[in-house]
Amino acid sequence: QKEVEQDPGPLSVPEGAIVSLNCTYSNSAFQYFMWYRQYSRKGPELLMYTYSSGNKEDGRFTAQVDKSSKYISLFIRDSQPSDSATYLCALKAAGNKLTFGGGTRVLVKP
Amino acid sequence: GAVVSQHPSWVICKSGTSVKIECRSLDFQATTMFWYRQFPKQSLMLMATSNEGSKATYEQGVEKDKFLINHASLTLSTLTVTSAHPEDSSFYICGHADRADTQYFGPGTRLTVL
Repeated sequence: QKEVEQDPGPLSVPEGAIVSLNCTYSNSAFQYFMWYRQYSRKGPELLMYTYSSGNKEDGRFTAQVDKSSKYISLFIRDSQPSDSATYLCALKAAGNKLTFGGGTRVLVKP
Repeated sequence: GAVVSQHPSWVICKSGTSVKIECRSLDFQATTMFWYRQFPKQSLMLMATSNEGSKATYEQGVEKDKFLINHASLTLSTLTVTSAHPEDSSFYICGHADRADTQYFGPGTRLTVL
């Protein structure tokens, strides 16, 4: 079993819809939770960074962490075709390296 | 966020040759940089952690003699793929962490070995 599980998709939604992404993890030592967006043949771009359970909002993006369930989510409101990319969750225990999920490919259709 | 550049963005080389990839931290003095490899439709896999002025720390299964890492200054780390073979063709991404330990990544280098 992988430490971090993420559905590979593709997840196809119409423009304007809410995109819902999630990752589950098994290691309770993970304390820091990040979401990256990666366009094809580009490096990952940091979208959200959280370290506590609950919600964090930034513009159209909301990150949600539920440490008791070992479950994290990213919501994208009012999705645009430019949001079409692969979204990677990344988790980290204190002082340790990042552990990435496999990534979910998202397609937002005009 | 931190700004990281990589050069070249794409390189094609013949089997058996060596290729050097540069990673620069443009706005932060990074004592530690990270090198990842990403195969198509897969996630990033950490290859090694580059430490300024000392030897890199390699992940299990990564050949240190094949993937030479040099981190001679606080703004530059290089990865040299020695005696490259077609199976080394991949997308190589570097990154570093800021003071808050948040990792930022470069745009990546696509290596194609013929």
